[in-house]
Amino acid sequence: DIQMTQSPSSLSASVGDRVTITCRASQNTYTYLNWYQQKPGKAPKLLIYAASSLQGGVPSRFSGSGSGTDFTLTISSLQPEDFATYYCQQSYSSPLTFGGGTKVEIK
Amino acid sequence: QVQLVESGGGLVKPGGSLRLSCAASGFTFSDHYMTWIRQAPGKGLEWVSSMFHTSNTIYYADSVRGRFTISRDNAKNSLYLQMNSLRAEDTAVYYCVRQLVYSSRTAFEYWGQGTLVSVSS
Repeated sequence: DIQMTQSPSSLSASVGDRVTITCRASQNTYTYLNWYQQKPGKAPKLLIYAASSLQGGVPSRFSGSGSGTDFTLTISSLQPEDFATYYCQQSYSSPLTFGGGTKVEIK
Repeated sequence: QVQLVESGGGLVKPGGSLRLSCAASGFTFSDHYMTWIRQAPGKGLEWVSSMFHTSNTIYYADSVRGRFTISRDNAKNSLYLQMNSLRAEDTAVYYCVRQLVYSSRTAFEYWGQGTLVSVSS
């Protein structure tokens, strides 16, 4: 199984900050990497697929990059509605696996 | 608009069974791969099972293989998860998810609101 490791597990940031979350795969996943946002009590929401493709309706302040084993989710200017937990997920091979999550909290 | 509504969750004793249902609307159900994903209380996301739209290809996580069975009824726009021999570690919110396919790979595009399964004596 491909293990997905996110860092940090949590971070505190202020509105307007640039935030970067990293995800590392235990083996090459090419660009088969997706990012999700989950708010408390809600279902996850797809933000980015194929490492860098923005899902429809997702604000352009979200971006993804990377390939192989190292990936990044960047929020260019953090907004109040962005405080949530973010998960990466590889879709290269079964079982499809998620990272442990990064909780973005208000500083 | 796409809607996925899960039902069938509840409290069950270890060793018991439950059948989850997911009613889909707002899209052509038979055209899409579908998946169940679960989330234990306060924990991360775990993929459980996926089924291609033609029902001829099914995948299971090792943790549920042999105990859970995914199925679909395209005529009823419904996805199911039959869960047998339930264990305490199966306690989770179960989400019904529609998949997005790109370059022969997939992402989890639309999610239902989830249904809680609690396994406890």
